[in-house]
This record gives sequence, C-alpha cells and structure tokens, in this order.
Amino acid sequence: GENVEQHPSTLSVQEGDSAVIKCTYSDSASNYFPWYKQELGKGPQLIIDIRSNVGEKKDQRIAVTLNKTAKHFSLHITETQPEDSAVYFCAASSLYNQGGKLIFGQGTELSVKP
Amino acid sequence: DGGITQSPKYLFRKEGQNVTLSCEQNLNHDAMYWYRQDPGQGLRLIYYSQIVNDFQKGDIAEGYSVSREKKESFPLTVTSAQKNPTAFYLCASSIGAGGYGYTFGSGTRLTVV
Repeated sequence: GENVEQHPSTLSVQEGDSAVIKCTYSDSASNYFPWYKQELGKGPQLIIDIRSNVGEKKDQRIAVTLNKTAKHFSLHITETQPEDSAVYFCAASSLYNQGGKLIFGQGTELSVKP
Repeated sequence: DGGITQSPKYLFRKEGQNVTLSCEQNLNHDAMYWYRQDPGQGLRLIYYSQIVNDFQKGDIAEGYSVSREKKESFPLTVTSAQKNPTAFYLCASSIGAGGYGYTFGSGTRLTVV
C-alpha cells in the first residue's frame, strides 16, 4: 500500500535560519500533498498544500516543492521564529484512493532556539 | 463557526472497560476518520467512513469499533480487546475523495489507569 517516509524526525535550528523537511512517497498515483503543523496538545492544522500539476508553491515564509519523478516533496521554512516550533507532518493521497484517505509521514519535531 | 469537536479532552479508563470518544462536525463533510497518535509513530488510521451507515477498517482497527448513524457524528469505542489503548486520538473530516479539506479535531488523550 501507500507509504510516506519523512525525515528528519527531529530538527533544531537557530531563530532566523531556514528549516527543510523532506518526504518521499511510494504510490505514483498520489496527486495531493498537504503539510500539517501540530502544536502540543492540539490537532494538526493545514499550513500549505500542493497538487501534482504544480512544482512549487509559496505562502510567505513557507514553501513546498514537489519532484514527481523522484516521488519526493519538501517543506521549506525561512526566517524561522520560536512560534514555528511544533511537529510537522507531510501527507499524500490519490484521487483513486478509496475514501480520500491521507497517508501521513512519521512527523518532524522542529525546535527553533531564540 | 464550522468545525469539528472532540470530547472529552482527557479520558481515563480502567482495565477491562469500554470507553467511547465523541466526534461531531458541522462542516457538512461526507467523510470522517479516526487516527491514533503515539510518540514517534505519526498518525495511524483506525477507521474511516465515507458516508452515513458505512465505514471501513483502517490499518489498526483491532480492539476498536465505530458507528456512523448521522452525517455529523462518528463516535469511536475503545473496547477491552485493545491491549494498549493509552494514546492521543484524533478525529478528522473531509469533503470526500482526494484528501482535500481535511480538518482535525483537537484530540482526546486516553489513559489506562
């Protein structure tokens, strides 16, 4: 079945630096790739997503890139701030996947040090 | 405001008891999902439902049961057959196929005492 691998599992950066989280997926039919941010004790919140007909998408300090050939996609956060500290999840789904299920990566715990 | 509500936020269960976690949404979403979250293991799918009166097992359905009698509601019962139920449980809903518009609740933390 579909599998999504996410790296690294933990990431520590200094405030103002950039952070990059990478994911690979196994199902070549996957065509939707969202990223979620989860703060402690809360449910994940969608922060950005990309569809397979687009190679890159930006929203202020965050961007996502997609390489369909290599089946991987990445989250880039620039000018990191302490409030960016959270667990980030990538996910993938296919229109042909029953129920529209999202398959999630294992998560990356990002720590931004002031 | 539209959203998805999980209750209770914290739940304690004694060994051998069944407990039910509530999930209600007013987003008019057709699909609903239950995930279990353990440290370092991401989100694992327990059950999902695409439409009222229909649901399917996810990857870790053993020891859990669900019902979908109303579009708005998708309760999860953790039965005594679930040997390691202590975890953070997340409910989500979506428009339907494709994974678009996934919205999560704020979660229920279940602890066995």
